[in-house]
Amino acid sequence: DTAVSQTPKYLVTQMGNDKSIKCEQNLGHDTMYWYKQDSKKFLKIMFSYNNKELIINETVPNRFSPKSPDKAHLNLHINSLELGDSAVYFCASSQTGFSGNTIYFGEGSWLTVV
Amino acid sequence: AQSVAQPEDQVNVAEGNPLTVKCTYSVSGNPYLFWYVQYPNRGLQFLLKYITGDNLVKGSYGFEAEFNKSQTSFHLKKPSALVSDSALYFCAVRVYDTGRRALTFGSGTRLQVQP
Repeated sequence: DTAVSQTPKYLVTQMGNDKSIKCEQNLGHDTMYWYKQDSKKFLKIMFSYNNKELIINETVPNRFSPKSPDKAHLNLHINSLELGDSAVYFCASSQTGFSGNTIYFGEGSWLTVV
Repeated sequence: AQSVAQPEDQVNVAEGNPLTVKCTYSVSGNPYLFWYVQYPNRGLQFLLKYITGDNLVKGSYGFEAEFNKSQTSFHLKKPSALVSDSALYFCAVRVYDTGRRALTFGSGTRLQVQP
C-alpha cells in the first residue's frame, strides 16, 4: 500500500548510457514532481506535472526528459548519462487547489554513474 | 520568490534533552511551512506543517514547531530527544497560490542524539 513508489531503488550504470526511473502514486493526486538530491544533500526541484501537463521545468539539461502517461505516473528518462548525474532522485506527489496540501515523497532512486 | 535557511549543518543533543532545529524563511506573501525528516538511505517523511491559526503546530513522533511571523522563523522542537530521532531534517516553504508550485527546501540539518 505504498503511496509513492519509484523503481529502481538503486541503479549503477556507465557513462553514456540511457536509463529510466519510474514513479507511481496511488494517492489520487493530480500533481507529481521530480526532485534531485545531490551529494551535499541539497534538494532541488527538477520537474512538475499537473494532470499530465508540464508546469515546472527548472534549468535541467535536456538529456533529462520527464514523461507522464497519466496523472498517477511520472517517469524520468535520462540520456547520455554523465558522472555529474550521480545523485538521489525523488519522486513526489500532491493535490493542487491549496498550497498547504502536503507533498508526499517516494523512497528515492540512488543513481551512480561510473 | 521563496527561500529557506537552516543555519546549522548539525545539531548535537543528549538523549532526554530538549532539541531545537532552526529554520528561517523568505517569501513574498503568506508562507506555508513544512518539516520533513530523512533517515539514512530513505525517502523524505512528512513531520508537520503550518498553514494558519495556532502558531504552535504538533506533528509526528512528538515533534512540534513554532511559527513566528515577525522573526520569519519556523523552528522544529521536541521536549525530550531520542537516539532514534537522529536523522537529516529539512524545512520547506511554499507561498500561497493554487498549489501548483513546488516546495523550496532548506539545506538540511543533521540531528545527532547521543545516548
